[in-house]
Amino acid sequence: DGGITQSPKYLFRKEGQNVTLSCEQNLNHDAMYWYRQDPGQGLRLIYYSQIVNDFQKGDIAEGYSVSREKKESFPLTVTSAQKNPTAFYLCASSVDRDSNQPQHFGDGTRLSIL
Amino acid sequence: DAKTTQPNSMESNEEEPVHLPCNHSTISGTDYIHWYLQLPSQGPEYVIHGLTSNVNNRMASLAIAEDRKSSTLILHRATLRDAAVYYCILRANTGNQFYFGTGTSLTVIP
Repeated sequence: DGGITQSPKYLFRKEGQNVTLSCEQNLNHDAMYWYRQDPGQGLRLIYYSQIVNDFQKGDIAEGYSVSREKKESFPLTVTSAQKNPTAFYLCASSVDRDSNQPQHFGDGTRLSIL
Repeated sequence: DAKTTQPNSMESNEEEPVHLPCNHSTISGTDYIHWYLQLPSQGPEYVIHGLTSNVNNRMASLAIAEDRKSSTLILHRATLRDAAVYYCILRANTGNQFYFGTGTSLTVIP
């Protein structure tokens, strides 16, 4: 089945440690996104990529980094500079930047600090 | 940012219709209106979207006001599986971002 796979489902980080969240899609979508969701809140955009080897900062990019070396993959690194990383992280993709196209989401990664 | 306003929570009896309202008074002419639902600990799921005309699909209907400053998601017969948080989102045609608010938490009463 086509879809978006995020791994791991749960992740724990020690203080001062970088961690990388995986996002893979087999939908042949050009655009991919990373969101952060805090308890009881909506989603906030971290980074997005409209095409391979290109990505743009969203509203809360500080303390995060991404890469887009392959169309199907858009990993997110939570760096030690992100002082409050505990959250639910969601990856999404869409066919392209056309606003008529919906986004498809993965099932998320829940990151916690040890 | 294109903003939407939704009630924090709503209740509905099972098998009755549900009307979830959304205000978007700052909408521009090219902004699409999208609706998503989210179950606990899962990613949002697309429900429906539209620009100007009312839309129907197998999941729901979307009624858009003539001035486009508000819209309503209609679930024709609520089931227990419809209990979720529903997000009304504007997506600007000139950008590439979805702006999620806090959504409406729908409770379905058996």
